[in-house]
Amino acid sequence: NAGVTQTPKFRVLKTGQSMTLLCAQDMNHEYMYWYRQDPGMGLRLIHYSVGEGTTAKGEVPDGYNVSRLKKQNFLLGLESAAPSQTSVYFCASSKLAGPVDTQYFGPGTRLTVL
Amino acid sequence: EDQVTQSPEALRLQEGESSSLNCSYTVSGLRGLFWYRQDPGKGPEFLFTLYSAGEEKEKERLKATLTKKESFLHITAPKPEDSATYLCAVRGVSSGSARQLTFGSGTQLTVLP
Repeated sequence: NAGVTQTPKFRVLKTGQSMTLLCAQDMNHEYMYWYRQDPGMGLRLIHYSVGEGTTAKGEVPDGYNVSRLKKQNFLLGLESAAPSQTSVYFCASSKLAGPVDTQYFGPGTRLTVL
Repeated sequence: EDQVTQSPEALRLQEGESSSLNCSYTVSGLRGLFWYRQDPGKGPEFLFTLYSAGEEKEKERLKATLTKKESFLHITAPKPEDSATYLCAVRGVSSGSARQLTFGSGTQLTVLP
């Protein structure tokens, strides 16, 4: 199994440009998450999904949109990129299994907005 | 609001020099405390989940323990390959259907040969 994969690995955008980050998992997990990681700060949740066709806001959702049309894919979109969105983005997934489950992370996408 | 504080921010050890990393937390009803390892340029890699005070888990040179207010990651006789950033995260009752994790900012461990 490949686990959680993310594309692209790196991207540079100009302010105002748009892009989509793709996350895919082959573990048949119900839950999927998008986090951002900034220096000196912990991972922060942007959006999440509890199943195909459902999405919800996390801690820092402004400026981002998501979609989960297929169970194995979770897309993160930036409609009009801003320098404050320069960060490393991680996707994670977990299985719906009781009150506590483990999140497994992808390798990350490093995004720079100029 | 759930909070996680990790200390120290950075730690340098000589190979074989044992030490501990600290994770202090406040959470409304702990559902689980998680330890991850993160190598430079990589995603977090799951290490342990602890559920209740008094619980301990071990994996090779690592041992995680949990009290009602903090968790420790003990590293015994570390090797250079143990160098990484170690992340602590908690899930509380308030995370609800999101099952959201609250992360600390991590401890960057460097083990010198």
